[in-house]
Amino acid sequence: EAQVTQNPRYLITVTGKKLTVTCSQNMNHEYMSWYRQDPGLGLRQIYYSMNVEVTDKGDVPEGYKVSRKEKRNFPLILESPSPNQTSLYFCASNPGGSGNEQFFGPGTRLTVL
Amino acid sequence: GQSLEQPSEVTAVEGAIVQINCTYQTSGFYGLSWYQQHDGGAPTFLSYNALDGLEETGRFSSFLSRSDSYGYLLLQELQMKDSASYFCAVRDPGGYNKLIFGAGTRLAVHP
Repeated sequence: EAQVTQNPRYLITVTGKKLTVTCSQNMNHEYMSWYRQDPGLGLRQIYYSMNVEVTDKGDVPEGYKVSRKEKRNFPLILESPSPNQTSLYFCASNPGGSGNEQFFGPGTRLTVL
Repeated sequence: GQSLEQPSEVTAVEGAIVQINCTYQTSGFYGLSWYQQHDGGAPTFLSYNALDGLEETGRFSSFLSRSDSYGYLLLQELQMKDSASYFCAVRDPGGYNKLIFGAGTRLAVHP
């Protein structure tokens, strides 16, 4: 089944404790992205990647890191999480093409205490 | 910068037609997309308009007017399962995969 997977789905952590949210897609898509979703703000792009080793900042990159060492994986790293990073996070991939159709993962709900 | 505006909430009854509007401001335009998101779920792609006019996909249609920087999503024969949030999105000229989403419109369909 073609899909984007994320792990963990739920995470409660404390301020300053480094964490990684994994994202993997099995559709051989060139492009991948991370978004955060907060009430009333919609989806905001954190980072995106155009290919292996090619990443760029989205609208809200502060406090986050990403890497794209393999085409299928795009982990999101929070080196020192803070409470304002409590949010719902979505990973997405897309094959390219004019519509930029995003295929979203199921989401990771992160709480930073 | 780029921005999109859409109503925060819309209410309608089963069987009716509802229109969700989206106005955008971008320094370059590459098309308008729509996504649906049910509570607790992930967004899913609905439609994409690059050119002016109406695109129809079953009960859903999407319209674009580039001269007015405006688009809408039209949902016909509403069903309870259409209750969800709907987001419009545009590509940011700063990068091919850089997307800007509207804040979303929550649609409530009542019997």
